[in-house]
Parts: sequence; C-alpha cells; structure tokens
Amino acid sequence: DAGVTQSPTHLIKTRGQQVTLRCSPKSGHDTVSWYQQALGQGPQFIFQYYEEEERQRGNFPDRFSGHQFPNYSSELNVNALLLGDSALYLCASSPGQGTYQETQYFGPGTRLLVL
Amino acid sequence: GNSVTQMEGPVTLSEEAFLTINCTYTATGYPSLFWYVQYPGEGLQLLLKATKADDKGSNKGFEATYRKETTSFHLEKGSVQVSDSAVYFCALGSTSGGSYIPTFGRGTSLIVHP
Repeated sequence: DAGVTQSPTHLIKTRGQQVTLRCSPKSGHDTVSWYQQALGQGPQFIFQYYEEEERQRGNFPDRFSGHQFPNYSSELNVNALLLGDSALYLCASSPGQGTYQETQYFGPGTRLLVL
Repeated sequence: GNSVTQMEGPVTLSEEAFLTINCTYTATGYPSLFWYVQYPGEGLQLLLKATKADDKGSNKGFEATYRKETTSFHLEKGSVQVSDSAVYFCALGSTSGGSYIPTFGRGTSLIVHP
C-alpha cells in the first residue's frame, strides 16, 4: 500500500502565477482533505472533497479551489499567488463515513515557495 | 470557535528523561482529541487519540488522558529516545455538516540528546 502520495515535492512560483498540486489517497479511502501549514504553525484546513464534491471549506479565499476525480485523487489549485501562500501543503485521506473519518492519513506534502 | 493551545518549544531533553507536552483546548460540544507527530521532511502521523472524557490514548509509550474538567490533553512519555525527536501537534476533531474537521495547535518541537 503506497499510502497518500503528493506531487510535486517542491515548487517555486512567482507572485501572480497559478499552481496545481496533486494528491492520491490511500487505497480504500474516498475522502481527501487539504491543509496549509505555514512555517512554525499547525496545519490549517482548506477544504475537503467527498464523492467529487466540496463537502466542507475552511477560511480560505476563492483563489483556492479544488477538484476530486472519480478515482478519488484530488487537485488543489491556487490562483494569483501571493507571497503569503508560501507553505507546506498537506493532503490527507480517510474513509468518508462516520467515525472512520477521524483516522486521517497524511501525505508528505508539497512545499511551495512564492517569490 | 474551536482552538488548541500547546506549550511553546523547543523542549530539549536528555535520553530517558520524562516528557510532558501541555495541550489545552476550547470547543463546543464533545470533540475527539488527538496527538500527531511530524518527523523532519514528512507528513503528519496520528500518534494517539481519545474520543470521550477520561479516555486514555496510548501508543509507542506515549499517553494522553482526555480531561474535560480542565479541557486538557497533555502528552506524556516516561522515557524518551533520540528517535522521538520531532514536532508534536495536538488537535481536536469536530463534525460539521457530516464531515470531520480537525483543528491543530501550533506544534511543539521536541529535541532529545543522547
């Protein structure tokens, strides 16, 4: 079992550009959540996808959008990048129903640097 | 809203010392409580959890007890090892609209010297 995988591992962009990050969930998991972890901070919830729909969203602007595919993999898109978007972006997967949702498995993250 | 407060690090200990990392929370209702660990260059791993008051979560020698009266979930280990050096995150989980959303603390770095 490959666990949760994310790509790319590192990315450098300039202000105003757009970026797409990718996540493949753990086998058997149908729910994907995305988090932003700024340096020295805990992860902040961005949004969660289940059955190809955004099920919950945290306090992030519309520049952050996502998508989930029929195979449960997911993308995070960020438009009009700001310097403050520099962070580690974590993807986590879990089963979609009931208390099993609490057991989230995290990927290694994509480190985004905006210059 | 929900929030988690952890003691600031880094916590620096010698091998075999006793570890306590304090965590307190604010939440409505009865959340589940978690400790996650993040090793350098890796994602978060669930270390232990407790789902109701007075529950004790334990794993790999680490323990934490859900204290509703003090709204705390302190992490303890009797004898730390160099390999325990990592960042530890306390989190609470609440359910909203059918989905589970965790709230994380800022993390506490643990450095264990031989």
